[in-house]
Parts: sequence; structure tokens; C-alpha cells
Amino acid sequence: KQEVTQIPAALSVPEGENLVLNCSFTDSAIYNLQWFRQDPGKGLTSLLLIQSSQREQTSGRLNASLDKSSGRSTLYIAASQPGDSATYLCAVKRDKIIFGKGTRLHILP
Amino acid sequence: KAGVTQTPRYLIKTRGQQVTLSCSPISGHRSVSWYQQTPGQGLQFLFEYFSETQRNKGNFPGRFSGRQFSNSRSEMNVSTLELGDSALYLCASSLNPQVLYEQYFGPGTRLTVT
Repeated sequence: KQEVTQIPAALSVPEGENLVLNCSFTDSAIYNLQWFRQDPGKGLTSLLLIQSSQREQTSGRLNASLDKSSGRSTLYIAASQPGDSATYLCAVKRDKIIFGKGTRLHILP
Repeated sequence: KAGVTQTPRYLIKTRGQQVTLSCSPISGHRSVSWYQQTPGQGLQFLFEYFSETQRNKGNFPGRFSGRQFSNSRSEMNVSTLELGDSALYLCASSLNPQVLYEQYFGPGTRLTVT
């Protein structure tokens, strides 16, 4: 049974710092991995989608990597801003999509 | 292009009642998935529809059901509501269920059962 874990559950960092969010999964037989952000009480916004054959994807200040063999993905955020404060979720897809419980990120002005 | 829309946005129901939630996918998207989000369990997959057929189902009791119409709009129904059904219900659409395609989420329906 696939399990997705995100550590830490919460993180506070000063504005301007670079940071890394972690996602691990137990079954490497995935089709893709997607990172989302969720603002309080809102739906999810897709950030990056990495296919199983890819190693990383980049969008602006965000870079996501995927290491299927070790069951890990990281989301790198460069030069963090207060507007980056949100919960970040990763999800892996095979037959179904399984989500981690997220990392709550707070950027301190 | 309009995003995924969900109606209603907020709903308060009493135990034992039933409820129907609606989701309209992005134009051209034919796959719709439903999720339940609670503080304790996080986001859990309910079911996925494509071309009016249920393709996958999560581990939820039979009180949870859904359907998809020919225009790709989808509804989910929860019968005999329980307090534990209070949650944010999210739907997501994609072009089709193939692995290449991203899912785009709606704002959700906040259901409160009293």
C-alpha cells in the first residue's frame, strides 16, 4: 500500500532564504508526482508535475526533483517571499492519486 | 479559460440527511476526480470518472456515490450523513486519466454536518 510522507509538518523561515521541502513514498512504481500549494480554506494549485521518466522540473523560483529508486522528491524554493506562505502537498499517481499530509510553510517578513 | 467550479461552496446539513455536490470541469477536460479533505486524514481519494464511467474508487463506504454526465460535469452524493463526513470536498479535472496530464482543482465545497 502506497504511503506518502512529508517532513517537516510545519516550517518557519525568514524571508529571502532558500528552502527545501521533502516528500517520500513507499512504492516506487508511480507514474508521476505532482506538487501543489493550498492556501487556507482554498482548493489546490498545481505547481509542478514530474513524470516518472523525468528527474526534475522547474518553474520560476521553484524546482522539484524526483528520485524514484529512493522514493523521494524535493521541492526547492529560492529566495522565499511572504506570499509563499501556504501548505505544500505532494501527490503520487499510479492507479489512484495518494497525497501526503503536507508541509505548512510560514515565511517571516 | 474558466477554472474548475464547484457548487455550493458551503453547506450545512443534519445527521441522516443526504447531500449532492456538483463539479464543472475545465472546458475540454473529460476526467473528474473527487477528494475528501479533513484535518485528521488529509486528502483522500474518493473516485474518478472519465467519459461517464467510474474508473477508480477509494476506500469509502457505499454511502458515497458519484456520477458523470455527457458534458463531463460530475456530481457526488452522500447519503445518511454522519458527523464524520464534515470535510472540504474537492474535485479536480484533467484532460483524461492518462499519466501525462496535470490535475486542476476547484475551490471545494465545505460540508458541515451537525
